[in-house]
Amino acid sequence: GENVEQHPSTLSVQEGDSAVIKCTYSDSASNYFPWYKQELGKRPQLIIDIRSNVGEKKDQRIAVTLNKTAKHFSLHITETQPEDSAVYFCAASKGGYKLSFGAGTTVTVRA
Amino acid sequence: NAGVTQTPKFQVLKTGQSMTLQCAQDMNHNSMYWYRQDPGMGLRLIYYSASEGTTDKGEVPNGYNVSRLNKREFSLRLESAAPSQTSVYFCASLGPPDEQFFGPGTRLTVL
Repeated sequence: GENVEQHPSTLSVQEGDSAVIKCTYSDSASNYFPWYKQELGKRPQLIIDIRSNVGEKKDQRIAVTLNKTAKHFSLHITETQPEDSAVYFCAASKGGYKLSFGAGTTVTVRA
Repeated sequence: NAGVTQTPKFQVLKTGQSMTLQCAQDMNHNSMYWYRQDPGMGLRLIYYSASEGTTDKGEVPNGYNVSRLNKREFSLRLESAAPSQTSVYFCASLGPPDEQFFGPGTRLTVL
């Protein structure tokens, strides 16, 4: 089955700086790569996703890049704010049906 | 529109006891999922149901059973709880085009 590795496990950034989280996947047939954000004590929520026919996607301060050849994808958060503090999960699947999640990255934004 | 709901929110069991976690969605989604979340391990798929009347094993099905009662409801049963099943359990449903919507979670402790 699909194996997704996520790094780093924890990330501390100064408010206003950028944060980057990287994931690798094993199954070359995977074509859908979502990112979920989970605030403390809350449910995971989708923040952005990318499909294998696209190399980059942006939504305001967040962006995701995909390198199919290397089988890795990354989440970029610019101008970080305190409300960006959360656990972020990457995932991979064939068509979004059965997601395989990474272990998560705890992001702390320091004021 | 309540989205995905789960009951109970918290539960404490003794080893060997049984219980059923309930999940319902009002978004008319076909596919539903049960995950468990443990520190440092991300979200792991226990069972899923592609449509009413079908269920399939995920990554960690041992010790669990599921029932897709109808299109709205998908329950998870622990027949004989073990301390290793202490976890946070999330139910999710798959909406178009590929977003999984999560319930609020059930925090289960097995003593």
